[in-house]
Amino acid sequence: SQKIEQNSEALNIQEGKTATLTCNYTNYSPAYLQWYRQDPGRGPVFLLLIRENEKEKRKERLKVTFDTTLKQSLFHITASQPADSATYLCALPGRTYKYIFGTGTRLKVLA
Amino acid sequence: NAGVMQNPRHLVRRRGQEARLRCSPMKGHSHVYWYRQLPEEGLKFMVYLQKENIIDESGMPKERFSAEFPKEGPSILRIQQVVRGDSAAYFCASSPEETGGGYTFGSGTRLTVV
Repeated sequence: SQKIEQNSEALNIQEGKTATLTCNYTNYSPAYLQWYRQDPGRGPVFLLLIRENEKEKRKERLKVTFDTTLKQSLFHITASQPADSATYLCALPGRTYKYIFGTGTRLKVLA
Repeated sequence: NAGVMQNPRHLVRRRGQEARLRCSPMKGHSHVYWYRQLPEEGLKFMVYLQKENIIDESGMPKERFSAEFPKEGPSILRIQQVVRGDSAAYFCASSPEETGGGYTFGSGTRLTVV
């Protein structure tokens, strides 16, 4: 069955450094992949979508890569700030256009 | 230009009661998705609806749970005879079309069964 894996352990990094989060998937050949941010007590917020023919996509301090051979996406936040602290979810399309979400990785940026 | 509106934000029910969760999608969005999230777990898909149609309910338990998205009014997720295991955050999302694009999520309804 389709499976999405994100590092369940929290990631702590120092302010100003680059945070890198990983999303791996198996039994899947998605045409695109999405990343969301979720703050405690709130719904997820869509950040970026990357298609299978795009190796990399950027939006301000965010960068996403998509390696369909490795079946992996990397999510980078450069010059991280304490306000970037949140849980980050990757999502892939399942059948009927519903999205399947990973369990998320909690990022904490230390001042 | 309100986003996805869910109500109530918090809902407390005793075991055996019914819970009704409401979701009004963003203006112009005709696709609604319900997800359930347990503490420290990911979002689990429950059901995907378009106006007056259930497109995919493969993630919704067969018993006690039902969903609708009528021609007029919000989408409703209904849980009958709630049990403690139903306690979770229920999120609704909407999108304008089927392919690509991101979802817009509501702030969720936190259901507590006592």
